[in-house]
Amino acid sequence: DAMVIQNPRYQVTQFGKPVTLSCSQTLNHNVMYWYQQKSSQAPKLLFHYYDKDFNNEADTPDNFQSRRPNTSFCFLDIRSPGLGDAAMYLCATSREGSGGTDTQYFGPGTRLTVL
Amino acid sequence: DAKTTQPTSMDCAEGRAANLPCNHSTISGNEYVYWYRQIHSQGPQYIIHGLKNNETNEMASLIITEDRKSSTLILPHATLRDTAVYYCIVRVPRNFGNEKLTFGTGTRLTIIP
Repeated sequence: DAMVIQNPRYQVTQFGKPVTLSCSQTLNHNVMYWYQQKSSQAPKLLFHYYDKDFNNEADTPDNFQSRRPNTSFCFLDIRSPGLGDAAMYLCATSREGSGGTDTQYFGPGTRLTVL
Repeated sequence: DAKTTQPTSMDCAEGRAANLPCNHSTISGNEYVYWYRQIHSQGPQYIIHGLKNNETNEMASLIITEDRKSSTLILPHATLRDTAVYYCIVRVPRNFGNEKLTFGTGTRLTIIP
């Protein structure tokens, strides 16, 4: 089945140690998103790629970066994780533009713990 | 995107219809109403969306009032697996540069056996 895959599902890192989360999709969608969801809060968009164009949310800290080497893969890099970055990180995809479906498909998320 | 207001929590008996309300009194003419849900420890899942006509799919029905200032998501025969947080979101689809979903606080629906 076509899907959005996130690896790993659980990630533990140390304070200040760079960490990378990965997302892949078999849906061939042109847009990929990264959301952050802290405990008992709603998901909040960090940034997204529309094709190769990177779109950063105004309030996303510089500590968070992203790469999209091809249509299928997208990475979230946290350069120096702080305790406040502990959260669930959700990847989503959608097909926008001509033929779009107006629907975002989410992966299962990666739960990040910062020690 | 217009702001939405939802009750914080609701209970529903298993097998009964679950009716989840959403107020979006500032919705503009080109904004659609979307519903997503998030089961514990999973990513959000799309349920349904609509503009002004009532919509139905295999998961749920969406009833939008004539003035479009509120809507109701109906799960016709709730099961225990429908226990989740339900988010009502209004947005303009295919709006280049603003594809994001802005989640509110949502309604925590608990299905009671």
